[in-house]
Amino acid sequence: DVKVTQSSRYLVKRTGEKVFLECVQDMDHENMFWYRQDPGLGLRLIYFSYDVKMKEKGDIPEGYSVSREKKERFSLILESASTNQTSMYLCASSFYLQGTSVNTEAFFGQGTRLTVV
Amino acid sequence: AQSVTQLGSHVSVSEGALVLLRCNYSSSVPPYLFWYVQYPNQGLQLLLKYTSAATLVKGINGFEAEFKKSETSFHLTKPSAHMSDAAEYFCAVGRGGGNKLTFGTGTQLKVEL
Repeated sequence: DVKVTQSSRYLVKRTGEKVFLECVQDMDHENMFWYRQDPGLGLRLIYFSYDVKMKEKGDIPEGYSVSREKKERFSLILESASTNQTSMYLCASSFYLQGTSVNTEAFFGQGTRLTVV
Repeated sequence: AQSVTQLGSHVSVSEGALVLLRCNYSSSVPPYLFWYVQYPNQGLQLLLKYTSAATLVKGINGFEAEFKKSETSFHLTKPSAHMSDAAEYFCAVGRGGGNKLTFGTGTQLKVEL
């Protein structure tokens, strides 16, 4: 059974803290994603990685960075947490079909609900 | 740029009634379209996807969607709602290489007795 695992379901952090959200997938997928989910806004892409050490900014990268040192692991970093980063964070992964632009299914983790106080 | 619009942030149906969740897309290229479902406190799960092989796409749990190019629509339907269908549903469109997705704002489906 395919699996994307996020390290925490709930997190409470203080303003100004450096926060790490971890995501691991066991499907040997090339692509990994971090999305942010807010009511009425749907999911918005923060960062995307298509290979180890490769990353690309999404639609809302400000205040975030990412790290992908191993294929199976993709970390989201909040350099200095702020209250407007209180949200649900979803990690996803997908398989890349070489040489095509075919969109394959994304598999999602359970989400991390982050509260910044 | 690709985008999707979901009409109706909340939809309420009676158990056994038809479910219709609306999604319209905008894409400059033939689109890849997806419907995902999110149950409370869960991640997203794929219901179905359109990849140009057939305009009527059947998914899990009795859901299906029809791709209509002339209407730029990809509405999700289920003939008979069940209480277990209560969830939030997201339409998404592929953004070309890399499997990035643009999501709609979601529709919360409520099923009443």
